[in-house]
Amino acid sequence: QQQVKQSPQSLIVQKGGISIINCAYENTAFDYFPWYQQFPGKGPALLIAIRPDVSEKKEGRFTISFNKSAKQFSLHIMDSQPGDSATYFCAARKQGGSEKLVFGKGTKLTVNP
Amino acid sequence: NAGVTQTPKFQVLKTGQSMTLQCAQDMNHEYMSWYRQDPGMGLRLIHYSVGAGITDQGEVPNGYNVSRSTTEDFPLRLLSAAPSQTSVYFCASSRFGTGINYGYTFGSGTRLTVV
Repeated sequence: QQQVKQSPQSLIVQKGGISIINCAYENTAFDYFPWYQQFPGKGPALLIAIRPDVSEKKEGRFTISFNKSAKQFSLHIMDSQPGDSATYFCAARKQGGSEKLVFGKGTKLTVNP
Repeated sequence: NAGVTQTPKFQVLKTGQSMTLQCAQDMNHEYMSWYRQDPGMGLRLIHYSVGAGITDQGEVPNGYNVSRSTTEDFPLRLLSAAPSQTSVYFCASSRFGTGINYGYTFGSGTRLTVV
């Protein structure tokens, strides 16, 4: 049973466009929702994270939108750049459940120049 | 300031062979974990540890063993390698009770091929 469902699997965007990646979850015990960015040949790295008590968090060109009632959250990349080309993973952590993260299956983003 | 160090970076094994993937962190993190990454499958948790002497199974533990004798080291052992274990393996560590912007630190991965 996949606990965090991520879509799309792949995404191609033109330079300057907006990239949107969506995730959905079922477990209401999740209390922390990070996004990780992974470049080829590297390990994932934390990009931005949100807790369910806020509906939006912005850091530079990256924004997380969170809809608690729909149990969905999304990553928006504004003014997408070729350097943003990477695989993006959403994840979730259960409250009181150590630091164990459940990851989505990932989205491979390609930003064309 | 090495972070999380994984060795080896690449390995080819024959079916039935055993080996140990090494993971070491120098950040005094309590939590350590092993994931495998396969195309279209994302990151799947194999085993994790919340401190020295404490380990538990993740989503896909079969065929793997772990131990945590020190805070720094968390080796992953393949008991009898199978082609289905061909994958990229990542070790990750984290503090407990961290702020929202402090996530996992991942190693650079071990690419394992079982023939």
